[in-house]
Amino acid sequence: KAGVTQTPRYLIKTRGQQVTLSCSPISGHRSVSWYQQTPGQGLQFLFEYFSETQRNKGNFPGRFSGRQFSNSRSEMNVSTLELGDSALYLCASRLVGGPNEQFFGPGTRLTVL
Amino acid sequence: AQKVTQAQTEISVVEKEDVTLDCVYETRDTTYYLFWYKQPPSGELVFLIRRNSFDEQNEISGRYSWNFQKSTSSFNFTITASQVVDSAVYFCALMQETSGSRLTFGEGTQLTVNP
Repeated sequence: KAGVTQTPRYLIKTRGQQVTLSCSPISGHRSVSWYQQTPGQGLQFLFEYFSETQRNKGNFPGRFSGRQFSNSRSEMNVSTLELGDSALYLCASRLVGGPNEQFFGPGTRLTVL
Repeated sequence: AQKVTQAQTEISVVEKEDVTLDCVYETRDTTYYLFWYKQPPSGELVFLIRRNSFDEQNEISGRYSWNFQKSTSSFNFTITASQVVDSAVYFCALMQETSGSRLTFGEGTQLTVNP
């Protein structure tokens, strides 16, 4: 079974731009969560999507948004990029109704200049 | 509020030594889940183990073992006979039943195993 895939793997943007990151969960996994990892703040929860609905949201500004499609694939968007948004963005999928461990993708490394 | 503390920022050992990574958690929920993840330099978080709050049985998987003690709110991870391939950052994480899928991670412990 293929794991969680994320595209692109690397991105370089400038301040003020917006960016969209994509995540394809493990086949059969319907819950997708996003996390931000930075050296200063560590791993922080952004949001979770299940059945195309946001179920849970972390403490991030409204510039961070996401969505989920009917095939469970998810995208997250960051608008008006700031230098502090430079981070590794990790997507994780989970089997709903089964064991609740989350399986992570390789991440997207975003650099904001 | 939930919190996970991994007090050991970095640990360095020589191959074949045993090493224990500490994890202490805080939660008000009676139902919760604890996890350990490994993050090699490639960046991907690799799931190692899940424990629920009702199961304090310790677990052994090959060279890995986990000690869950509710009385001290700890979920420690021991690697026996460490190998160079064990070098990575290890994260302990908590999921509360009232917080959906939200994982609260500790700061991570960088383990370096030297040959």
